[in-house]
Amino acid sequence: DGGITQSPKYLFRKEGQNVTLSCEQNLNHDAMYWYRQDPGQGLRLIYYSQIVNDFQKGDIAEGYSVSREKKESFPLTVTSAQKNPTAFYLCASSRKQEHNEQFFGPGTRLTVL
Amino acid sequence: AQSVAQPEDQVNVAEGNPLTVKCTYSVSGNPYLFWYVQYPNRGLQFLLKYITGDNLVKGSYGFEAEFNKSQTSFHLKKPSALVSDSALYFCAVPNDYKLSFGAGTTVTVRA
Repeated sequence: DGGITQSPKYLFRKEGQNVTLSCEQNLNHDAMYWYRQDPGQGLRLIYYSQIVNDFQKGDIAEGYSVSREKKESFPLTVTSAQKNPTAFYLCASSRKQEHNEQFFGPGTRLTVL
Repeated sequence: AQSVAQPEDQVNVAEGNPLTVKCTYSVSGNPYLFWYVQYPNRGLQFLLKYITGDNLVKGSYGFEAEFNKSQTSFHLKKPSALVSDSALYFCAVPNDYKLSFGAGTTVTVRA
């Protein structure tokens, strides 16, 4: 899982609560990403950031928010507006060039009770 | 937009037999293509990538992939599969500095 850490590994949330998932990398990568993975589906991009203090929506950004105040950190907040948040969340980072591979963290499994 | 497709949801092979996981691509220009593997409840691990040059790309854990421009394919191969190769495999293509993934292929290697 390289130099990317995600915490917590498992997270339980009650409906109506916001929760924040942590992602930290020590690879000195400029770009960071958040994906959502559901059973039987591929990875879907939530948000990505190519540089500090800048980020863009991915394919399924509704109900999520992010910040990128430091190069090493890219936390994801799952808000109460996300109607179906139970999923496996993966963070990744890469160098900015297009042909560079992404390195993934171990993931956080979020369950809404 | 660039995209990849994995036509098989599942692949089952016996240990010691060759393993092939299929991927086709749709890109404009010269493609960059990736393969990743995911073990249960883990993040994705990078296996190999094609940028340019040799059509046969060698990667981690004895895997290789063959780039075929005429068939627009980038199949992942392993000459002799192990039980420990049982996992979920994804091919991917860059899309404006993001990665677009195929739906994934579950590989089961039986002893």
